[in-house]
Amino acid sequence: KAGVTQTPRYLIKTRGQQVTLSCSPISGHRSVSWYQQTPGQGLQFLFEYFSETQRNKGNFPGRFSGRQFSNSRSEMNVSTLELGDSALYLCASATASSSGNTIYFGEGSWLTVV
Amino acid sequence: SQQGEEDPQALSIQEGENATMNCSYKTSINNLQWYRQNSGRGLVHLILIRSNEREKHSGRLRVTLDTSKKSSSLLITASRAADTASYFCATTLTTDSWGKLQFGAGTQVVVTP
Repeated sequence: KAGVTQTPRYLIKTRGQQVTLSCSPISGHRSVSWYQQTPGQGLQFLFEYFSETQRNKGNFPGRFSGRQFSNSRSEMNVSTLELGDSALYLCASATASSSGNTIYFGEGSWLTVV
Repeated sequence: SQQGEEDPQALSIQEGENATMNCSYKTSINNLQWYRQNSGRGLVHLILIRSNEREKHSGRLRVTLDTSKKSSSLLITASRAADTASYFCATTLTTDSWGKLQFGAGTQVVVTP
């Protein structure tokens, strides 16, 4: 079974541009969540989607948005990029289970804003 | 803000020794998961422990959970150089959807051959 796949792995953008990151969850997983990891703030939750609906949202400005498609694949978008948006963006997927909902992560997308 | 605190922030040990790290959290949880992250890579799931469980084992890993103290510990026995990584605990709160995790700051473990 393939794991969580994120594309692109690395990208460099200029301040003011926008970026779209993509995530393919593990087959059968309907929950997809996104996290930002920086040295200063650590791992912070961005949002979670389940069956194409945003189920939870972290404390990030409206420049950060996401969506989930009917095949559970997800994208997140950051508009008007700032230098502080440079981070590792991690996508995770999960499925409901009576033994606990293990959440699996992808390798991440490294975003550098210059 | 971080849900939990991890202790110690950094740990340096020799191969063959045991490594223990602790995680504390603030509010009621449904479960707690431990992850490993090698430098610049994604998070690798190690173990999940539910709020009604007190201890779980997986290979050389042992996790305990004390909900009365709102704390968990991860023990790696007979450590290897390949165990060098950052380790994070993450909780799913009872007040949140089960797909959302709140992370601690992590423990950086260095295992010297």
